[in-house]
Amino acid sequence: AQSVTQPDIHITVSEGASLELRCNYSYGATPYLFWYVQSPGQGLQLLLKYFSGDTLVQGIKGFEAEFKRSQSSFNLRKPSVHWSDAAEYFCAVGAMGSSYKLIFGSGTRLLVRP
Amino acid sequence: DSGVTQTPKHLITATGQRVTLRCSPRSGDLSVYWYQQSLDQGLQFLIQYYNGEERAKGNILERFSAQQFPDLHSELNLSSLELGDSALYFCASSDPRGNSPLHFGNGTRLTVT
Repeated sequence: AQSVTQPDIHITVSEGASLELRCNYSYGATPYLFWYVQSPGQGLQLLLKYFSGDTLVQGIKGFEAEFKRSQSSFNLRKPSVHWSDAAEYFCAVGAMGSSYKLIFGSGTRLLVRP
Repeated sequence: DSGVTQTPKHLITATGQRVTLRCSPRSGDLSVYWYQQSLDQGLQFLIQYYNGEERAKGNILERFSAQQFPDLHSELNLSSLELGDSALYFCASSDPRGNSPLHFGNGTRLTVT
């Protein structure tokens, strides 16, 4: 079955510290992978996406993610967290084509300590 | 701003009622997707339309229906509402090119009392 697992419900980091949010997926075909961020009262904003090629992808707001096929993982990283990064982060997997639906993980809520 | 517009932002209604949620996709996008976000189910794909035609169905209840109009805006109709239908409903759109990600609106928060 296709699924996405984000094992951490909450993560708290200090401002300026590094961040890694975990994402593991189960998908029958070659996956397309995404990270979205949701701030309170807002929609989901695309941070970055992986389709093919270089397994380290750069996104907006200084985020990056690395696709590791052998580990079925697509972890999100940021070297130095800012207070404005506090939000909920969703990993998603899907496949492109005429019929396109994303499967989302349950999300990780990031809290940033001053 | 994603360019996807959803109205209304908030909706409060009673059980048994019917509501319509509206979505205008980004300019040029032909596909519209509806998602439901609830505390217990997370983000669930409901349905996709492409250029006016239904393209994919997910976990959409029979009480729910959607359509996409010639101007590409979409409506999600929820009927015989139950308390459990309270959720945030998102619309997303994508353009016709391959490998195009979804762009989400800010959602409609539905509260059923």
